[in-house]
Amino acid sequence: QKEVEQNSGPLSVPEGAIASLNCTYSDRGSQSFFWYRQYSGKSPELIMSIYSNGDKEDGRFTAQLNKASQYVSLLIRDSQPSDSATYLCAVDGGSGGSNYKLTFGKGTLLTVNP
Amino acid sequence: EPEVTQTPSHQVTQMGQEVILRCVPISNHLYFYWYRQILGQKVEFLVSFYNNEISEKSEIFDDQFSVERPDGSNFTLKIRSTKLEDSAMYFCASSDRLASNTQYFGPGTRLTVL
Repeated sequence: QKEVEQNSGPLSVPEGAIASLNCTYSDRGSQSFFWYRQYSGKSPELIMSIYSNGDKEDGRFTAQLNKASQYVSLLIRDSQPSDSATYLCAVDGGSGGSNYKLTFGKGTLLTVNP
Repeated sequence: EPEVTQTPSHQVTQMGQEVILRCVPISNHLYFYWYRQILGQKVEFLVSFYNNEISEKSEIFDDQFSVERPDGSNFTLKIRSTKLEDSAMYFCASSDRLASNTQYFGPGTRLTVL
């Protein structure tokens, strides 16, 4: 059973601080990694994708991937109250021929306090 | 910006009834997916669809479920005889190529089975 684990939180940070979200995955064959943001009652919204080891930056967001450690993280700089949401880590099918489905973690609830 | 749309936003049905959930994927995308999210739980993969056939399905996607692309724009999920445990948010997603597998989600249909 392929697993994606996230620190469940909730994570609370003050406005302007850096929020750090972590994710580990079990399938070493996974190639594609995604961070989605989900507001309560809404659908997952893509924030970042990352495919290679290292860092990928997009505005205030930085995704980090370490395939050897099977670890993905998301840093949010200068956190804003509007960043308050559940952040979902998703990993592609990986080994076993499954390239289609995404496996999601349970998500980390982030609250940014003004 | 192109987006995935879904109808209806909320569907209430009696146990044992058939429901059809509708999705219009992003127009140039070729890969389509259904996921569900039971309240308070993680997003779960149901099925993927490409070239007018199912590419992969999960254990959840049993004989009560079916998918269809009846025309060039719609993608539907049918549940033949709904059960109480089918109550969930159902999300449609689409992606433009298998290599990146970046999936964009629709707003979801909240299905309530009474």
